[in-house]
Amino acid sequence: GALVYQYPRRTICKSGTSMRMECQAVGFQATSVAWYRQSPQKTFELIALSTVNSAIKYEQNFTQEKFPISHPNLSFSSMTVLNAYLEDRGLYLCGARDQRQGNSDYTFGSGTRLLVI
Amino acid sequence: GDSVTQMQGQVTLSEDDFLFINCTYSTTWYPTLFWYVQYPGEGPQLLLKVTTANNKGISRGFEATYDKGTTSFHLQKASVQESDSAVYYCARSNSAGNKLTFGIGTRVLVRP
Repeated sequence: GALVYQYPRRTICKSGTSMRMECQAVGFQATSVAWYRQSPQKTFELIALSTVNSAIKYEQNFTQEKFPISHPNLSFSSMTVLNAYLEDRGLYLCGARDQRQGNSDYTFGSGTRLLVI
Repeated sequence: GDSVTQMQGQVTLSEDDFLFINCTYSTTWYPTLFWYVQYPGEGPQLLLKVTTANNKGISRGFEATYDKGTTSFHLQKASVQESDSAVYYCARSNSAGNKLTFGIGTRVLVRP
């Protein structure tokens, strides 16, 4: 079956430092990867959508300068939180799908929980 | 803009109780609608989805009907079990089908 692994599961970084998180798709080809953030007491907010061979599209309030994303092949993506501050804490989710399969849905990883101290 | 409104907070039930979670959507067209379930320490998993208005989605005893008239997609289960304790999210797709917008989530606690 389709699985998505994210690592690390949990991380702590000092305020002002950066943190890279990774996302691995297994059992299918991840032509599209969506990165979400779930801040405390909030729902999932889409950060950006990455499609292989296309430009990465960031949502309002999120920028490449703050959340650079790499999607180099059909099984891997990474995102970095640059200069993390308290408001960046939360659960970062990676969802992946094969958009070439007409009715495919996103498969989500378990997330990377970021604490900022 | 397009959104999903879901009852928030926590629902506490006993085993074999009836579960109902409210969800409505606002839109000028008819998106695909989803219910996701998130167990502790895991990412959200697709529970069910419905692509066509006035159809019903059924999975693992849960069901939700895409009601075009009331723009609702309420989740129901006739008899819950302790293992159903989780957070449930209503979600909708965008017109291109490549983005999901989630509701606030409803925590369900089922006591044995």
